[in-house]
Amino acid sequence: GAGVSQSPSNKVTEKGKDVELRCDPISGHTALYWYRQRLGQGLEFLIYFQGNSAPDKSGLPSDRFSAERTGESVSTLTIQRTQQEDSAVYLCASSLGGFRVQETQYFGPGTRLLVL
Amino acid sequence: AQTVTQSQPEMSVQEAETVTLSCTYDTSESDYYLFWYKQPPSRQMILVIRQEAYKQQNATENRFSVNFQKAAKSFSLKISDSQLGDAAMYFCAYRSISATNKLIFGTGTLLAVQP
Repeated sequence: GAGVSQSPSNKVTEKGKDVELRCDPISGHTALYWYRQRLGQGLEFLIYFQGNSAPDKSGLPSDRFSAERTGESVSTLTIQRTQQEDSAVYLCASSLGGFRVQETQYFGPGTRLLVL
Repeated sequence: AQTVTQSQPEMSVQEAETVTLSCTYDTSESDYYLFWYKQPPSRQMILVIRQEAYKQQNATENRFSVNFQKAAKSFSLKISDSQLGDAAMYFCAYRSISATNKLIFGTGTLLAVQP
């Protein structure tokens, strides 16, 4: 597609349930990032995928969070046993990747997650 | 660890006037990248401008320019001839060249443009 897409746009769930958030990066982008944005805050890095390399998971806040990416396409962020503090907007971004350090990250519109 | 600070939670500007948004950062690195992103109510993060730390010349993109003071670790954004469409949340971000390509964001400045 023309840009990064994410689904669902909004998700309401009950505490303790598992949720899956999906990101479709720009075609041809080998790098993919997940960020979390809590209300009134900046974005927090969660995880980074680059091609077939091992992902950088250093930003995941707990073992309830995990993410997968199939090749250089779709990524899924899974939150198990959701807690109220997980309520936030989850943003995905993609970039060309490699060692082009000056490259731009293109963001999707995010998924707003509300845990009741 | 690097940190980014935006000390102005909210700013307001009259249409056609100029406004400056502040950003400071902390790092021990000598080479890095700095960014300003705009986030309108649609939530879509849009890159406004980028600055390479090794370049002394301040970056400009049409009505947007930065004042990059490396020694002071300051990176302010100036918006000239403000337009109603400039109203949004603005985030300053830092990116190391030596680590993962992750961006480190400030907490943002909400800019209102008055007609």
